[in-house]
Amino acid sequence: QLQLQESGPRLVKPSETLSLTCTVSGGSISSSLYYWDWIRQPPGKGLEWIGSIYYSGTTYYSPSLKSRITMSVDTSKNQFSLKLSSVTAADTAVYFCARHVLQLPDKYYMDVWGQGTTVTVSS
Amino acid sequence: DIQLTQSPSFLSASVGDRVTITCRASQDISSYLAWYQQKPGKAPNLLMYAASTLHSGVPSRFSGSGSGTEFTLTISSLQPEDFATYYCQQLHSHPFTFGPGTKVDIK
Repeated sequence: QLQLQESGPRLVKPSETLSLTCTVSGGSISSSLYYWDWIRQPPGKGLEWIGSIYYSGTTYYSPSLKSRITMSVDTSKNQFSLKLSSVTAADTAVYFCARHVLQLPDKYYMDVWGQGTTVTVSS
Repeated sequence: DIQLTQSPSFLSASVGDRVTITCRASQDISSYLAWYQQKPGKAPNLLMYAASTLHSGVPSRFSGSGSGTEFTLTISSLQPEDFATYYCQQLHSHPFTFGPGTKVDIK
């Protein structure tokens, strides 16, 4: 059974870089059938899509965050990562990683999610 | 960006009620729409994709319909475990936006 687990510092100082890793277990990240996504949820608010990465390294980022995001994939470790630079209090959120299924030609969805990790931006 | 709106934003209902949530897109997204259920402190769970395809393991009391710009999620007979927040998401084009959510509460 596929599982995703987020990891990384829970407290980040303003202006610094938030770094998170999602470890995929029970399946391979190197599949042509999936993208791997990051989504976040500020306290008491809705879901915000951050970006997607393919095992080949192809990325798609949210335009609102694009200037501050870097996503990467390490197929040898079955992991993908998120870096968000120049963080402010507005970046405080629960960060989820998820598997994004590409069931061509027209069925796309996020079917497996990590439990989420709370990241607080504060000095 | 494609904007999604949901109505109502809050819904109070009783066990056994039929519940319908609407999601509207700011432009045509064909059937590239998914629905998720989220309970407090938990990750979202996929309910429906391609607007009307029930995800594996999801009870048949959940159904979805629509295409283009208007979509609905229906729960035919609300169960105690269905009290949660429901989100729609468009996967037609980047960025893959979510709706603001509909909270279903106990009446």
